[in-house]
Amino acid sequence: GEDVEQSLFLSVREGDSSVINCTYTDSSSTYLYWYKQEPGAGLQLLTYIFSNMDMKQDQRLTVLLNKKDKHLSLRIADTQTGDSAIYFCAETVYGNKLVFGAGTILRVKS
Amino acid sequence: DVKVTQSSRYLVKRTGEKVFLECVQDMDHENMFWYRQDPGLGLRLIYFSYDVKMKEKGDIPEGYSVSREKKERFSLILESASTNQTSMYLCASSLSPGLGSLLDEQFFGPGTRLTVL
Repeated sequence: GEDVEQSLFLSVREGDSSVINCTYTDSSSTYLYWYKQEPGAGLQLLTYIFSNMDMKQDQRLTVLLNKKDKHLSLRIADTQTGDSAIYFCAETVYGNKLVFGAGTILRVKS
Repeated sequence: DVKVTQSSRYLVKRTGEKVFLECVQDMDHENMFWYRQDPGLGLRLIYFSYDVKMKEKGDIPEGYSVSREKKERFSLILESASTNQTSMYLCASSLSPGLGSLLDEQFFGPGTRLTVL
């Protein structure tokens, strides 16, 4: 069945890099996503990667995809207190349906 | 900008009450979704709709129903609320017709925190 797993909590110091990891099960997923949820808000698409790519970089964000191991990671460089949020990994399983992981709470200490 | 609005941010109901959660999107999106979010479980899909009057069960439809009479509005109904339905409810919409090869970004509302006493 479809399953997306990620660690539940990560704590880093301001200025350090954060790496959030995710594993997924559906090898046919076309896109894989990272959504961010700030306190009291809904989810917002942060970045995504197409399944035929290994890496995507967007300013402080780097997404790495290992299709063989079905492993996705999100690296945030120079982490700031404003990056404190819950980060969700998600995959498209069929049609327009997304399956989300449980979310990783990122806490940034100043 | 896409806007997805939900009728209430906070709601408190009693066990056995019928509860309506409303969601409206203003970008003419075909697809709309209802999720519940619980700590440690992430988002779980309750129901989704890919067209007016069409609905599909998600992963946890028991105890819920939905209504989509107009394209912009998707309602979640708890026929008889129970304490285990206390949760954060998130509505989302997306444009893609679901061909699987297009980017299916979902746009989320701010959520409704429902407490059932």
